[in-house]
Amino acid sequence: GENVEQHPSTLSVQEGDSAVIKCTYSDSASNYFPWYKQELGKRPQLIIDIRSNVGEKKDQRIAVTLNKTAKHFSLHITETQPEDSAVYFCAASSGGGSNYKLTFGKGTLLTVNP
Amino acid sequence: EPEVTQTPSHQVTQMGQEVILRCVPISNHLYFYWYRQILGQKVEFLVSFYNNEISEKSEIFDDQFSVERPDGSNFTLKIRSTKLEDSAMYFCASIEGSGQETQYFGPGTRLLVL
Repeated sequence: GENVEQHPSTLSVQEGDSAVIKCTYSDSASNYFPWYKQELGKRPQLIIDIRSNVGEKKDQRIAVTLNKTAKHFSLHITETQPEDSAVYFCAASSGGGSNYKLTFGKGTLLTVNP
Repeated sequence: EPEVTQTPSHQVTQMGQEVILRCVPISNHLYFYWYRQILGQKVEFLVSFYNNEISEKSEIFDDQFSVERPDGSNFTLKIRSTKLEDSAMYFCASIEGSGQETQYFGPGTRLLVL
């Protein structure tokens, strides 16, 4: 089955700096890669996603890049703010048919220091 | 905006007891999921459900677990005889389908088995 590795496990940056979180996946059939933000005790919230027919996607301060050949994808947050502090999870899915299950990475605790 | 809802928010039970966790997915969604997250760890897939049947289940989802969609709105997860290691946050999620893969998570039920 799919295996998703995520690095780093913790990341501390100064407000205004950029943050980059990287994930690799093992199943070449995976074609959908969402990123979720989870604040303490809360539900995972989708912040951005990318499909395998696209190499990059941007939404304001957040961008995701995908390298299908190398089987890795990354989350980039620019101009970080203290409210960006949370755990970020990457995930992969080979969705289709009757199943779109997500396989998650282990998460990155991002701390943005004021 | 419609949201996935879950009840109860917290449940404390004795080892060996049965628990039922309830979810109301978003009304026009067709695919339903249960995930669990042990404290401080990643989100793990348990089971997916489509067209009134299980489409995939993980190794975690053994004979002690079952799912049901008893009516047009509720989606339940039953654990027949809880174990200490079942203590976790359980998230329900749903997907619209028809090419829309975004998975929306409920707020979770925190289960504590004593």
